Amino acid sequence: GQQVMQIPQYQHVQEGEDFTTYCNSSTTLSNIQWYKQRPGGHPVFLIQLVKSGEVKKQKRLTFQFGEAKKNSSLHITATQTTDVGTYFCAGQGYGGTSYGKLTFGQGTILTVHP
Amino acid sequence: NAGVMQNPRHLVRRRGQEARLRCSPMKGHSHVYWYRQLPEEGLKFMVYLQKENIIDESGMPKERFSAEFPKEGPSILRIQQVVRGDSAAYFCASSKDESNEQFFGPGTRLTVL
Repeated sequence: GQQVMQIPQYQHVQEGEDFTTYCNSSTTLSNIQWYKQRPGGHPVFLIQLVKSGEVKKQKRLTFQFGEAKKNSSLHITATQTTDVGTYFCAGQGYGGTSYGKLTFGQGTILTVHP
Repeated sequence: NAGVMQNPRHLVRRRGQEARLRCSPMKGHSHVYWYRQLPEEGLKFMVYLQKENIIDESGMPKERFSAEFPKEGPSILRIQQVVRGDSAAYFCASSKDESNEQFFGPGTRLTVL
């Protein structure tokens, strides 16, 4: 079945440093979605990438979808303490048993030290 | 607030009891998904439903677990004869169609004593 690997598992940064998390899927994806979850909270939708090679920006966050639509990354520039949380990627396949459902990566737990 | 609603937010059950978790999707959304999250882990897909239909239940345990999304009312995830290993956060998500972004509810934290 489809698997999504995400690294690193943990990332500790000083406030102001950059942060990147990477996702890699075992199969080609129809789209990938990124979520942020705070401790005790629920996943909050950040963005969806659909096109091969797509790059989207949201203020200090940059999301990329690979040319082969199997990998993706999230980069945060100049982290702030409000960025703390777990960042998940979630891939959606093209059909069959991948239809509709999201396969989540393990998440990257980001800690930002002031 | 027109977001995904789940209740109860916290549920405590003793072993052998039944747990019923409810989810009302966002307005205009007809696709509902249930995911389970164990402590310190990612989310695992359980089941995908549309009104009155189960589309994909490949992530559901074969026994004790069932889900429905009736024509009227919320989607229900039902766990019979709960065991301690069922303790987890159960999240519901909804989308406008199967390829759109999914929006998550606040979750139900189930604790089995």
